Amino acid sequence: DAGVIQSPRHEVTEMGQEVTLRCKPISGHNSLFWYRQTMMRGLELLIYFNNNVPIDDSGMPEDRFSAKMPNASFSTLKIQPSEPRDSAVYFCASSLGEGGETQYFGPGTRLLVL
Amino acid sequence: AQSVTQLGSHVSVSEGALVLLRCNYSSSVPPYLFWYVQYPNQGLQLLLKYTSAATLVKGINGFEAEFKKSETSFHLTKPSAHMSDAAEYFCAVSPSGYKLSFGAGTTVTVRA
Repeated sequence: DAGVIQSPRHEVTEMGQEVTLRCKPISGHNSLFWYRQTMMRGLELLIYFNNNVPIDDSGMPEDRFSAKMPNASFSTLKIQPSEPRDSAVYFCASSLGEGGETQYFGPGTRLLVL
Repeated sequence: AQSVTQLGSHVSVSEGALVLLRCNYSSSVPPYLFWYVQYPNQGLQLLLKYTSAATLVKGINGFEAEFKKSETSFHLTKPSAHMSDAAEYFCAVSPSGYKLSFGAGTTVTVRA
């Protein structure tokens, strides 16, 4: 079974540009998570979806960030406009259920905003 | 709020030596506890998970962790380090539901 798939794996963009990160969760999983990893702040939960519905977006830094999950097999995280401080590794994770279930992580997207 | 403290941001061990990574958590109720490993340029991979079935949890790659409620600890050990164990290790806690709080991570280097 394929794991969580993320694209692109690397993204370099200039400040002010729109960035879209993509995620395909593990088939059958009904929970999806977006995380950001930086040296300064470690791993932070940005947003959590359950059954395609955003349940907790309290970790989304600001209005420049938005996430969607139009169906059970696809999610996007968009940054518009991007800023240098958004440079980080963004992980998508999925799980079956939400009560302490194991989260399975994708390989991440390494974003550099110049 | 839940918090996780990993003692030591960096641990260096000799090949064949014991690996001990320390994790303490704050929780008013018995939580779910996890150890994840992250190899360079990869995502996080589950090593093991505590769900109250047994205090000693065995994971992949020869790792195990012991839950000690009285000490609010969940330390990770491996009797004999291998070069392939070089990675970053994260302890995480989930009191209930979906939210995982991660520790800051411990980087393990293995000396030949």
